[in-house]
Order: sequence, then structure tokens, then C-alpha cells
Amino acid sequence: DAVMTQSPLSLPVTLGQPASISCRSSQSLVYSDGNTYLNWFQKRPGQSPRRLIYKVSNRDSGVPDRFSGSGSGTDFTLKISRVEAEDVGVYYCMQGTHWPHTFGQGTKLEIK
Amino acid sequence: EVQLVESGGGLVQPGGSLRLSCAASGFTFSSYSMNWVRQAPGKGLEWVSYISSSSGTIYYADSVKGRFTISRDNAKNSLYLQMNSLRAEDTAVYYCASRLTMDVWGQGTTVTVSS
Repeated sequence: DAVMTQSPLSLPVTLGQPASISCRSSQSLVYSDGNTYLNWFQKRPGQSPRRLIYKVSNRDSGVPDRFSGSGSGTDFTLKISRVEAEDVGVYYCMQGTHWPHTFGQGTKLEIK
Repeated sequence: EVQLVESGGGLVQPGGSLRLSCAASGFTFSSYSMNWVRQAPGKGLEWVSYISSSSGTIYYADSVKGRFTISRDNAKNSLYLQMNSLRAEDTAVYYCASRLTMDVWGQGTTVTVSS
């Protein structure tokens, strides 16, 4: 299985400051069709997960442009340019290239 | 509006069975693959099962293989998860999520396995 490793697992951030979450896969996530199926999800307290980013860097509709995704192969990053109070929650990367699909452990973002 | 609504969760004894449902609306359900994903209390997200739009391709996590069965009824715009031989470690909120890339999620239904 492709093991997804996120860091840090806890991320205290001051409002208005940037934040960055790393996600590393144990296998290359480049699929035979040339796409890289690495997604990012946000889970706010008491809410369902919400997809933020798909295929490494494509932002979903309605997702603020302060969120961005980057990376390739086995190393990926989610960045928030300026953290807002509504960004509190747990962030997960997930690979959809290999079966079984696997999630990272989650990174809990809190306001310092 | 694209919407997924799960139902069927509840309290069940170890070894028991439960059938979850996911009702889809606002999109052409028959064209979309679907997933079940769960989150145990205090834990992260875990992919459980996948079914293609025509039911021709199905996958399971090793943790549920042989005990859970995913199915769908495109005429009823519905997805199902039949869960048998339930264990305490199956206790979780179960979500359905659309497409391979899980772009839309339901609100979840809670399954508690306890005596």
C-alpha cells in the first residue's frame, strides 16, 4: 500500500500568517495516464470532509485562493497564504493513484 | 444542488449486521463512481470501499474485505454498504463520497458496535 506521511501533525498558526503542510508518499503517485492523483481535504469540527485540492494543484470551486497545492512524484505541499479563523480543522492528503486509496494521518491546524 | 444523504447507522452488537444507504440527488448518479469512507472516534479518515458507475469494478480495504459488500441501484440513485460480522473497531462515522477523487461528501451516519 502507498503510505502517506504528513508533517507536522499539529500546526499552531497566528492569524494572518502562512501555514504549510507536507505530505510524502512511499510510492510515486504518477499514474499511467500521466496524472498525479493527490488530493487535499479539510475537516472542520462537526462537519463532513471537504475537498480543497485535486490532482496536486487544482483548487475546487469555492475554495479561497489563499489555499494552494504543489509537488510531484512523492512529495507534496498544501499552503495557506494567510490563515483565517475559519481554517481551523484537520487537513488530510489522500492518494487516488494506487489501490487501496490511502489518507495521511491528518494535520490539526489551530490558531495560536 | 449536488447532495448525498447517508442513513442506516445505529447501535449493533458485535457480530451483527447493518445496511447503510446513501441517497444521491442533483447529479447523474449513474455516471459517477462512488466510495465509502469512515472515521473512527479520535482517528483519521479511512477509505473503505469503491464501486464504479456500472458496478463492474469494486474494491475493498483489507480491514473490511469478506465482511462488507458495496452495491448500488442506479434506478434509485442509491449507494449501499452491507456490513456483516461487525466488530468494535468498525465503530465510526461512515461517509459516502462521489467519484474517484471524492469531490462531494455526505453528512455521515454513525455506526456503533458495542454490547
